[in-house]
Amino acid sequence: GAVVSQHPSWVICKSGTSVKIECRSLDFQATTMFWYRQFPKQSLMLMATSNEGSKATYEQGVEKDKFLINHASLTLSTLTVTSAHPEDSSFYICSAQRTGSGYTFGSGTRLTVV
Amino acid sequence: QKEVEQDPGPLSVPEGAIVSLNCTYSNSAFQYFMWYRQYSRKGPELLMYTYSSGNKEDGRFTAQVDKSSKYISLFIRDSQPSDSATYLCAMSPNFGNEKLTFGTGTRLTIIP
Repeated sequence: GAVVSQHPSWVICKSGTSVKIECRSLDFQATTMFWYRQFPKQSLMLMATSNEGSKATYEQGVEKDKFLINHASLTLSTLTVTSAHPEDSSFYICSAQRTGSGYTFGSGTRLTVV
Repeated sequence: QKEVEQDPGPLSVPEGAIVSLNCTYSNSAFQYFMWYRQYSRKGPELLMYTYSSGNKEDGRFTAQVDKSSKYISLFIRDSQPSDSATYLCAMSPNFGNEKLTFGTGTRLTIIP
């Protein structure tokens, strides 16, 4: 149990375009989902916390207008990188929290902006 | 000073050796301590979690927490090449209700 599906696993896009990443909890309802960013050989950096039906809470330094998060249901959260630029290239990972059972991570999305 | 410090390695050991991975932290509010394993280009997977001080064993893995020293460890016995990965410690004041604070991760390679 506690499977989180993240899609796509990798994406290449042109500079200036927007990219949407989906995170789904397949067999449980996730009260809270987290979005992380990871640079090569570095740890996970929390970008934002999203709760179903409410606005996401962004970490300091994360542009909320650039990284749009929508948590439309208890099983789906999306991260949209708007007007992507090469410096947005990174590994993005979501995690979903199951009440009383901790966190399960998705398999990550490698974004390359060219 | 970072809230959680972890030696990034890389750490290379021969197959069958005992591996010791460690983290130190500064926030005394942390009560839950987790170890995640992350293979290249994959999301982290939870190995073990412990609450407060003490030991916890699961197969070849043993997690130790010493809150008085603000020091946690993960031991891997009879290490296998499949254990080669990056190991991240993470911690939070509460389990499952608050964001995790991660260490930088230690890259481990088990040499056959």
